[in-house]
Amino acid sequence: AQSVTQPDIHITVSEGASLELRCNYSYGATPYLFWYVQSPGQGLQLLLKYFSGDTLVQGIKGFEAEFKRSQSSFNLRKPSVHWSDAAEYFCAVGAKNNNDMRFGAGTRLTVKP
Amino acid sequence: GAVVSQHPSRVICKSGTSVKIECRSLDFQATTMFWYRQFPKQSLMLMATSNEGSKATYEQGVEKDKFLINHASLTLSTLTVTSAHPEDSSFYICSAAAGGRQETQYFGPGTRLLVL
Repeated sequence: AQSVTQPDIHITVSEGASLELRCNYSYGATPYLFWYVQSPGQGLQLLLKYFSGDTLVQGIKGFEAEFKRSQSSFNLRKPSVHWSDAAEYFCAVGAKNNNDMRFGAGTRLTVKP
Repeated sequence: GAVVSQHPSRVICKSGTSVKIECRSLDFQATTMFWYRQFPKQSLMLMATSNEGSKATYEQGVEKDKFLINHASLTLSTLTVTSAHPEDSSFYICSAAAGGRQETQYFGPGTRLLVL
């Protein structure tokens, strides 16, 4: 079965600084990969997803992620963080024709003024 | 965009009572709805997959008699926590998928359940 690891539990960055959130997955075939954002007390909002094709994926709110098969990674990046980006971020991995999506433990992002 | 609502957003109940949580897809028909549970500062765990008009499929370790799921229409699924106990306190999130696949799911805002 697939699994996903988010090595960083909590990250703090200054507003305007760049951001990279790490995600590593384990899956035998080509995975479906997702990044979601969750604000306190809210559900999850999809930022971006990778199914196939271009390994650099653009998402909403200025986020992007790059699928690197050789490193089994799908790191999320943003060139300049805004205070409103403070939230919990979840990476998830799924498989084609299989409702067995697995979520990482999440990375909490704090943005300093 | 696709909108999924949950009601109530927050509920407090006494131990031993049952609580019903509704999940609605407001602007699309959802053949499949998913129910997740999220403990504080932890990730989402899939509890069950609900298909319209058929019995829900529960994940291993989830008691189907305790967490009753009904998906009576293409826009509504309900989760009933029966005889709730304090350990059932959690954040319950539903999602809805038009195509029946998790990769196309839209999440609801969640329901915070506190059992006293």
